[in-house]
Amino acid sequence: AIQLTQSPSSLSASVGDRVTITCRASQGISRALAWYQQKPGKGFKLLIYDASSLESGVPSRFSGSGSGTDFTLTISTLQPEDFATYYCQQFNHYPIIFGQGTRLEIK
Amino acid sequence: EVQLLESGGGLVQPGGSLRLSCAASGFTFSSYAMNWVRQAPGKGLEWVSAVSASGGSTYYADSVKGRFTTSRDNSKNTLYLQMNSLRAEDTALYYCAKQGEGGSGGNWFDPWGQGTLVTVSS
Repeated sequence: AIQLTQSPSSLSASVGDRVTITCRASQGISRALAWYQQKPGKGFKLLIYDASSLESGVPSRFSGSGSGTDFTLTISTLQPEDFATYYCQQFNHYPIIFGQGTRLEIK
Repeated sequence: EVQLLESGGGLVQPGGSLRLSCAASGFTFSSYAMNWVRQAPGKGLEWVSAVSASGGSTYYADSVKGRFTTSRDNSKNTLYLQMNSLRAEDTALYYCAKQGEGGSGGNWFDPWGQGTLVTVSS
């Protein structure tokens, strides 16, 4: 099965910072990658699909890039509501795999 | 508004069975693949299973293959997860999730339900 290595596992940053989270696949997955945000008690929110397509309603400070094996999620200017846990997901092959998650905390 | 409402979770002994349901509304249920994803307490996400829009194809994580069965009733807009031979490591919050729309047509998840808790313990 494909493995996804997400890094870092945790990250401390300040409001206004630019943040990048990476997701590396053990084999090529084309652009079949999505990113999700999880806030405690608020469930999961789709941010990015097809590696770089911004889901409707998601602020433009979120962006995704990459193809093949290396992907990034970038938050250009951190806002207070962005402190959460982020997951990548590959959907190119079954079994579907999630990254281990990145917990973004306030510095 | 698209809504997914899971039910059926609870406390079950090791080796027992449980059936989860996910009632869908606000979209044409029969047009989308559906998924089950779980999250053990304090842990990350694990995809459990997927079923095609028609119900004709199902897919499972190795950790549940042979023990869990996913099905759907498109006439009732409901997704099911039959869980047998449950183990302590199956303890988790179980979410159903709809295949996302547009783009490549791939199986990303949007939206997710709020989850139902399954606890396997004696």
